[in-house]
Amino acid sequence: DAGVIQSPRHEVTEMGQEVTLRCKPISGHDYLFWYRQTMMRGLELLIYFNNNVPIDDSGMPEDRFSAKMPNASFSTLKIQPSEPRDSAVYFCASSPWGGSQGLNTEAFFGQGTRLTVV
Amino acid sequence: GNSVTQMEGPVTLSEEAFLTINCTYTATGYPSLFWYVQYPGEGLQLLLKATKADDKGSNKGFEATYRKETTSFHLEKGSVQVSDSAVYFCALTGGGNKLTFGTGTQLKVEL
Repeated sequence: DAGVIQSPRHEVTEMGQEVTLRCKPISGHDYLFWYRQTMMRGLELLIYFNNNVPIDDSGMPEDRFSAKMPNASFSTLKIQPSEPRDSAVYFCASSPWGGSQGLNTEAFFGQGTRLTVV
Repeated sequence: GNSVTQMEGPVTLSEEAFLTINCTYTATGYPSLFWYVQYPGEGLQLLLKATKADDKGSNKGFEATYRKETTSFHLEKGSVQVSDSAVYFCALTGGGNKLTFGTGTQLKVEL
């Protein structure tokens, strides 16, 4: 498997524009996570899905952010309208189910999308 | 809720020095514990993990032992190399696959 694939790798946009980040998780993984990384706040979990269903979106900063997972192989994170303070690296990660014993498993990360809003 | 506290960086060492990065956690139940590493310009990669008390995770010369009595999971390496320069994140999962990360510790290894 090629791993978690994110696109684009870099995005520069003007304030007020809509931005869409894309993620293809590893095939067969049941969980998908969106994280944001900044120098000030470190690594923040924005939202995660289990079997395409959003489970916890409490980390989404405000209504300008939305995420979807229309099928098991694709997810998007959309920011509309974008603002300079949204500039960050956005990571997507996926992980397999931990099994009936609930054994926690590790997440596999994509290489990230570096977003710059000017 | 769950939380992870790790030592602030940057940590600067000479090559072949001994490394310790401290990590403590707060969690209910029996979390799994992880160390992830992030090299410049890349995503996070799993370095090692431990799933129950007294387990020792190890990889690439790095080790960490799950200490339930002290709620700690300190990362150690006996002899660091320049190529180990990166940011190291301690993390845990509890009650499912949701990861809680520490703030990260930057390691710089110099010749």
